[in-house]
Amino acid sequence: DQQVKQNSPSLSVQEGRISILNCDYTNSMFDYFLWYKKYPAEGPTFLISISSIKDKNEDGRFTVFLNKSAKHLSLHIVPSQPGDSAVYFCAASAGRTGANNLFFGTGTRLTVIP
Amino acid sequence: KAGVTQTPRYLIKTRGQQVTLSCSPISGHRSVSWYQQTPGQGLQFLFEYFSETQRNKGNFPGRFSGRQFSNSRSEMNVSTLELGDSALYLCASSLAGENNQPQHFGDGTRLSIL
Repeated sequence: DQQVKQNSPSLSVQEGRISILNCDYTNSMFDYFLWYKKYPAEGPTFLISISSIKDKNEDGRFTVFLNKSAKHLSLHIVPSQPGDSAVYFCAASAGRTGANNLFFGTGTRLTVIP
Repeated sequence: KAGVTQTPRYLIKTRGQQVTLSCSPISGHRSVSWYQQTPGQGLQFLFEYFSETQRNKGNFPGRFSGRQFSNSRSEMNVSTLELGDSALYLCASSLAGENNQPQHFGDGTRLSIL
């Protein structure tokens, strides 16, 4: 049972434009959400996170939006750069239950075209 | 600041053998989690250790075990290896036991079972 879903396996965007990656979740106990970027032969790199008490968090070119009623979050990258080309994973945890383990989506491969 | 270090990077074993993987967390991080990544199942949580105690466990058979030492370094062990255990094993560390802290990953150990 996939509790975190990324329904788009791939996304292509022109350099300088906005990249929007989407993620849906089913477990209402999730209260902490993260985005990771992964290059081949490397581990996931933490990008940005958001607590369920917020609906937006921004860090430089990266902004994460959380819509709790829709159980949906998205990552916006503006402007997109060729170095952003990687697989992006959405993850969630239910910290309020005392559990720190992350549930991951299946990833979206972003390609930024120069 | 050094990141999460996993050794070895690559390992080849045969069915029935056992294997031990090692993880050194980021300095000051006391929580260590292990994940398995396979093409079919994606990233799945194995277990988490904090202060030398297993705090949380995923849905894996008892052949998968782990431990944490007083310096927060962790090892995971897989006994009686099966072909399906071929995967990338990732270790992640986070700050002192608080929930809703980002986990930072190592580059993983690629385990191949022949």
